[in-house]
Amino acid sequence: GAVVSQHPSWVICKSGTSVKIECRSLDFQATTMFWYRQFPKQSLMLMATSNEGSKATYEQGVEKDKFLINHASLTLSTLTVTSAHPEDSSFYICSASRTKYNEQFFGPGTRLTVL
Amino acid sequence: QKEVEQNSGPLSVPEGAIASLNCTYSDRGSQSFFWYRQYSGKSPELIMSIYSNGDKEDGRFTAQLNKASQYVSLLIRDSQPSDSATYLCAAEHNAGNNRKLIWGLGTSLAVNP
Repeated sequence: GAVVSQHPSWVICKSGTSVKIECRSLDFQATTMFWYRQFPKQSLMLMATSNEGSKATYEQGVEKDKFLINHASLTLSTLTVTSAHPEDSSFYICSASRTKYNEQFFGPGTRLTVL
Repeated sequence: QKEVEQNSGPLSVPEGAIASLNCTYSDRGSQSFFWYRQYSGKSPELIMSIYSNGDKEDGRFTAQLNKASQYVSLLIRDSQPSDSATYLCAAEHNAGNNRKLIWGLGTSLAVNP
């Protein structure tokens, strides 16, 4: 149990385009979903926390107009990187939590390359 | 600023030995603690969670929690080369309705055959 999927697993796009990443909890209902970014050889950086049906809570320094998060149901959250630029190239990982203890189960990640 | 600190390593142990990974946290209000394993280029995988003082064992893994000392550790018995990875320690942080994990930078473990 506790399987989280992400799609796509990798994407290459041109500068200025928008990219949407989907995160799904396959066998449980997620009370909360999280979006992280990880640059090579660095630790996880939390971008935002989202609860179903409510606005996402963004971490300090993360532009909410650039990284749009929609949490439409208890099993689906999406992250849209708008007007992507080369500096947005990174490994984007979502996670989902199902209990009050906040243990998080991670998706396999999406590697974004912006040319 | 709430923090979780880990020794970055690398920690190198021979195959079959016990690997000991340590972590300290600053938020006395944290109640839940987690160890994740991350292979290079992959996403983190939950190994252990611990909520009460003392030891919790799961197969070759034992997590230890000491809330008075604000200290969490992970022991890996009979270490295998496949255990070579970065191990991330995380502590739950509650700020009103915003519950999230505070992450350490990770300890790199190398198990030598």
